[in-house]
Amino acid sequence: EVQLVEFGGDLVHPGGSLRLSCAASGFTLGNYWMSWVRQAPGKGLEWVAHMNVDGSQKYYVDSVKGRFTISRDNAKNSLYLQMNSLRPEDTAVYYCARYLGVTGTRSLGYWGQGTLVTVSS
Amino acid sequence: DIQMSQSPSSVSASVGDRVTITCRATQDISRWLAWYQQKPGKAPKLLISAVSNLQSGVPSRFSGSGSGTDFTLTISSLRPEDIATYYCQQAHDFPFTFGRGTKVEIK
Repeated sequence: EVQLVEFGGDLVHPGGSLRLSCAASGFTLGNYWMSWVRQAPGKGLEWVAHMNVDGSQKYYVDSVKGRFTISRDNAKNSLYLQMNSLRPEDTAVYYCARYLGVTGTRSLGYWGQGTLVTVSS
Repeated sequence: DIQMSQSPSSVSASVGDRVTITCRATQDISRWLAWYQQKPGKAPKLLISAVSNLQSGVPSRFSGSGSGTDFTLTISSLRPEDIATYYCQQAHDFPFTFGRGTKVEIK
């Protein structure tokens, strides 16, 4: 069974840093594209970051470019999101998600339960 | 960036009604369109990939159609368990943007 479990959400001051982790099980992380998606309280979904299988391609939404870094450790079957220079508007539940892996689709077929990041003084 | 506009933002319908949600992209995204369902307090769930491919376990009352810039999610006969917010997402170009969501409620 595919499972994704996020860790690391916390309350942090503006300007602070946080590292989110996503532990994958039931599949080999190194075979799939992965993404982070966030959802601010009471708001819709926002795609945040993407990484391909070998980490050679990374993409970010404009609002986090230069501040967030997506990475993966395939040996540990884990995905990460390093978040620096955090702002109040980064407050959200952050989801780790795995692409379906089916040719002709680029859909997020599996999601974790999310971890809450709160940026506030 | 490609923007996705969804309408309506909310819909209230009776059990058994047909519900249609539309999604429009600001440029041609071919068939790189997915639909997700999110129930309160839960993670999103993929319903449909590549415009019309129903995911395993998703009831057949859900269907998707469209191509290019205009897409539709249809619930043929609304059930109480379909109460949720529905999002479209384009995967043609990065960033893979979502629509703002459509909240479906029971009248």
